[in-house]
Amino acid sequence: EVQLVESGGGLVQPGGSLRLSCAASGFTFSSYWMTWVRQAPGKGLEWVANINQDGSEKYYVDSVKGRFTISRDNAKNSLYLQMNSLRAEDTAVYYCARGGATPGGRLGYWGQGTLVTVSS
Amino acid sequence: DIQMTQSPSSLSASVGDRVTITCRTSQSISIYLNWYQQKSGKAPKLLIYAASSLQGGVPSRFSGSGSGTDFTLTISSLQPEDFATYYCQQTYSSPLTFGGGTKVEIK
Repeated sequence: EVQLVESGGGLVQPGGSLRLSCAASGFTFSSYWMTWVRQAPGKGLEWVANINQDGSEKYYVDSVKGRFTISRDNAKNSLYLQMNSLRAEDTAVYYCARGGATPGGRLGYWGQGTLVTVSS
Repeated sequence: DIQMTQSPSSLSASVGDRVTITCRTSQSISIYLNWYQQKSGKAPKLLIYAASSLQGGVPSRFSGSGSGTDFTLTISSLQPEDFATYYCQQTYSSPLTFGGGTKVEIK
């Protein structure tokens, strides 16, 4: 069974940093693109970033470029999102999702999400 | 970036109704369009990928159509468990943008 379990969310002050993790199991992690999607309270889904199988290709939404870094450790079956210079507008539930073998693949599996709150 | 226009933003319907949700993109994306269902407090669930392919385990009352810039999600006979918010997403080019969502409510 495919499982994605996010962790690392919490309350952080504006300008602070947080590192999210996503532990994957039930599939060959190193064979898939992986993605982070977020959802601000009461709002829609926003694609944040994705990364290819070996970590050599990474893409970001403009609003997080230069502040967030997506990475993965295939030996640990884990996906990460390092978030720096956090702003109030980064407050959201962050989901990790499994993509496909190509960058345009569907997000067929999602974690339960982890809440990040940026507030003083 | 590719802009996604989803309509309507909300609708009220009754059990048994046929429901249609539309997604329009700012440029042609071939069939790189997926549909997701999200219930309150839960993670999104993939319904349709590549514009018209039904994800495994999804009831056949859900269907998708379209190509290029205009796409449609249809629920042929709305069931109580279908009341949720639906999102389209293009996977043609990064950033892989989502539509604004359509909330389907009980009439």
